[in-house]
Amino acid sequence: KAGVTQTPRYLIKTRGQQVTLSCSPISGHRSVSWYQQTPGQGLQFLFEYFSETQRNKGNFPGRFSGRQFSNSRSEMNVSTLELGDSALYLCASSFTGGAGQPQHFGDGTRLSIL
Amino acid sequence: TQLLEQSPQFLSIQEGENLTVYCNSSSVFSSLQWYRQEPGEGPVLLVTVVTGGEVKKLKRLTFQFGDARKDSSLHITAAQPGDTGLYLCAGATRGKETSGSRLTFGEGTQLTVNP
Repeated sequence: KAGVTQTPRYLIKTRGQQVTLSCSPISGHRSVSWYQQTPGQGLQFLFEYFSETQRNKGNFPGRFSGRQFSNSRSEMNVSTLELGDSALYLCASSFTGGAGQPQHFGDGTRLSIL
Repeated sequence: TQLLEQSPQFLSIQEGENLTVYCNSSSVFSSLQWYRQEPGEGPVLLVTVVTGGEVKKLKRLTFQFGDARKDSSLHITAAQPGDTGLYLCAGATRGKETSGSRLTFGEGTQLTVNP
């Protein structure tokens, strides 16, 4: 059974640019969540999508957005990149996203802002 | 805002020693999960505890959920170099299946087991 796939694995951008990250969940999983991981803040919840709808949202500015497609694949977009956006972006999938369901994480996209 | 305090942040021990990692919060969680993350990889789920007072064992790892469902601990017996990694606790908020959930993560404990 294939795991959660995130592309690309590494990305280098400059300030002011925008970026789109992709996440393919485990087959049959309909909930996809995104997290930002930095050394100082740890793992922080960005948002969760289920059936193409954003269901939960963390405390991040509107520059961070996402969407989910009918096949449950999800994309995350960050516009007007800032140096502080440098981080490991992780996505996780689960069957329906209910509390207590195990979250299966991808290996992340390492985003570096120059 | 729900917060999870994890301690210690860093732990360096010798092979064969025992250790305990703590995860504490003032909030109640419907469940608590422990993950382990290695460099360059995403977190991998170790265990989910749901019931207050629950104890689960996974080989040399013992996980406990506090009676009030606000705290948890991870105990490793006879640590081995292969146990080295970042250990993360994460609390799931109470909610219905259809309303989704989010995980609140602790800061993590970086464990190094020296041979």
